[in-house]
Amino acid sequence: QVQLVESGGGLVKPGGSLRLSCAASGFRFSDYYMSWIRQAPGQGLDWVSYISGSRGRIHYADSVKGRFTISRDNDRNSLYLQMNSLRAEDTAIYYCARGGYFYELDPWGQGTLVTVSS
Amino acid sequence: QSVLTQPPSASGTPGQRVTISCVGSNSNIGTNYVHWYQLPPGTAPKLLIYRNDQRPSGVPDRFSASKSGTSASLAISGLRSEDEADYFCAAWDDSLSGPLFGGGTKLTVL
Repeated sequence: QVQLVESGGGLVKPGGSLRLSCAASGFRFSDYYMSWIRQAPGQGLDWVSYISGSRGRIHYADSVKGRFTISRDNDRNSLYLQMNSLRAEDTAIYYCARGGYFYELDPWGQGTLVTVSS
Repeated sequence: QSVLTQPPSASGTPGQRVTISCVGSNSNIGTNYVHWYQLPPGTAPKLLIYRNDQRPSGVPDRFSASKSGTSASLAISGLRSEDEADYFCAAWDDSLSGPLFGGGTKLTVL
């Protein structure tokens, strides 16, 4: 079945870096846009970034532009989010999801928690 | 970042019908599809309704949705305890060039 599994979250100090991964299975990964979405504690969902199947189209939310980089390895069926210059307000559960460009996000992974704190 | 406007909470007793509203603008709901997501406590978000009113396979027909102008709504009939979750609407936003989410509605089954 279609499945997404995130990893790479953890505790990092402000200004630090972290790389999240999302392993996909059960579908032709290269055919789909992929997205990262986050949910800060007690807050709503916030879209972070998306990338097209061919990597030709990439877009970021203003809040992470210049600090986060989305990428993918279609041979490894994997999506990544390199997060640099992390701030306390980046603390959130980060979800990867299939889709995101114009259409629905489905499915979602279970999420990985990123905590930015000194 | 602007959000689509949802009531922060909703509640009902088992068997009741509840509705959750989602108000946007011409740059999102007014011109693009609306989707609804369910976030049960401690589990992965799940697509509940897509493209305004379509149910994915496996979603009970107790869940329905509609869109009119720059607003949308989700209805849950025959409320059950397992429906207790956070519900988010979402729509592509032409200004953002990305998906825009509602602030979320916490549904409590009394």
